Amino acid sequence: GAGVSQSPSNKVTEKGKDVELRCDPISGHTALYWYRQSLGQGLEFLIYFQGNSAPDKSGLPSDRFSAERTGGSVSTLTIQRTQQEDSAVYLCASSLRIQGLNEQFFGPGTRLTVL
Amino acid sequence: SQQGEEDPQALSIQEGENATMNCSYKTSINNLQWYRQNSGRGLVHLILIRSNEREKHSGRLRVTLDTSKKSSSLLITASRAADTASYFCATDSFNAGGTSYGKLTFGQGTILTVHP
Repeated sequence: GAGVSQSPSNKVTEKGKDVELRCDPISGHTALYWYRQSLGQGLEFLIYFQGNSAPDKSGLPSDRFSAERTGGSVSTLTIQRTQQEDSAVYLCASSLRIQGLNEQFFGPGTRLTVL
Repeated sequence: SQQGEEDPQALSIQEGENATMNCSYKTSINNLQWYRQNSGRGLVHLILIRSNEREKHSGRLRVTLDTSKKSSSLLITASRAADTASYFCATDSFNAGGTSYGKLTFGQGTILTVHP
């Protein structure tokens, strides 16, 4: 079956531009997570969706970052007025969230480069 | 900040040898998971061990968990060149309400190189 997909796979943008990153989770997975992986910070949690709501958005680094999820499926992570420190690989994961288990399946990531 | 601390940071072995990676964490957990990452892109889930389990096996993988020491280890037996990758432990912790956070906190990872 299809895994988690993300688009674009690579994105190069200029400082100050807005970018949108997309995640398609595994069909039927109710939970969706965004993480960021950068050289200096390792893997960081950004935001979590259960259905269309976001119970935990504690990891968003600033108000330039926002995310939404519609129809309990596709999610979009938006970064406004990008800065060079936003350069990283953005990873999306989904899980079933059954009985407290939280095995997460990751997408291939979007590599964002801000010039 | 990363809850998990892993050691070693890098491990280089010959094919056929066993590889052991360790992970320590700080808070109470619901479960602990190990992931593999090739070439800095998507992570592949390897194994999940619940907080009430002490050992779990999956193929050539063996994971142990010691909640009293807040530590876990991943053993890869009879390693192959294809096992070359970065390995991360990740913890799923409880919030104040006693349910899991629904997010994973990752360690810094161990870079494993298996030489043919």
